[in-house]
Amino acid sequence: AQSVTQLGSHVSVSEGALVLLRCNYSSSVPPYLFWYVQYPNQGLQLLLKYTTGATLVKGINGFEAEFKKSETSFHLTKPSAHMSDAAEYFCAVSGSGGGADGLTFGKGTHLIIQP
Amino acid sequence: KAGVTQTPRYLIKTRGQQVTLSCSPISGHRSVSWYQQTPGQGLQFLFEYFSETQRNKGNFPGRFSGRQFSNSRSEMNVSTLELGDSALYLCASSLGSGVTYEQYFGPGTRLTVT
Repeated sequence: AQSVTQLGSHVSVSEGALVLLRCNYSSSVPPYLFWYVQYPNQGLQLLLKYTTGATLVKGINGFEAEFKKSETSFHLTKPSAHMSDAAEYFCAVSGSGGGADGLTFGKGTHLIIQP
Repeated sequence: KAGVTQTPRYLIKTRGQQVTLSCSPISGHRSVSWYQQTPGQGLQFLFEYFSETQRNKGNFPGRFSGRQFSNSRSEMNVSTLELGDSALYLCASSLGSGVTYEQYFGPGTRLTVT
């Protein structure tokens, strides 16, 4: 069984500031980890994913995340926030092994960018 | 290449009715997954279909069912609608089954049960 906790339902940062969205997971097997973004009235778009290998993962739009097994974390960061980053962000986990398990999502974090 | 399309985009139904939602995957994709998104429960996995077979199912009652056709298009059906079924239903398609394949999400169908 897997679970995901996203700390902070709303995060507000100034344009140009560092973005840090927190995600902690629980998994009984080595996890696959994902970050998705959802803009209003749209579906989810994959930002990045960790399956195996390098623990620092780079994604689209300048985002990156680091898998830390000892902390069971997969926090999302971006060095400099842009107004277009305002959206809902979801962390998700799945069991590894290539099975047909669905994704388990966190509750989401609404990112607000202050001008 | 066209993205995942879902029809209808908005739907209003009365409690006790049934509803069918449709999802057309990206051309060449053989897997379709369905998710329910509500403010209270967040995003929850409903089921996945691959090559017309249900591969996995989330923790939802039997009122929720689905199927996949030979062209990979998928439908999900909810019978005996309850107020709590009001949600955004998202469909995602991928080349293969399992999360090692990237899932591409459609815009969703917003279902309101009155």
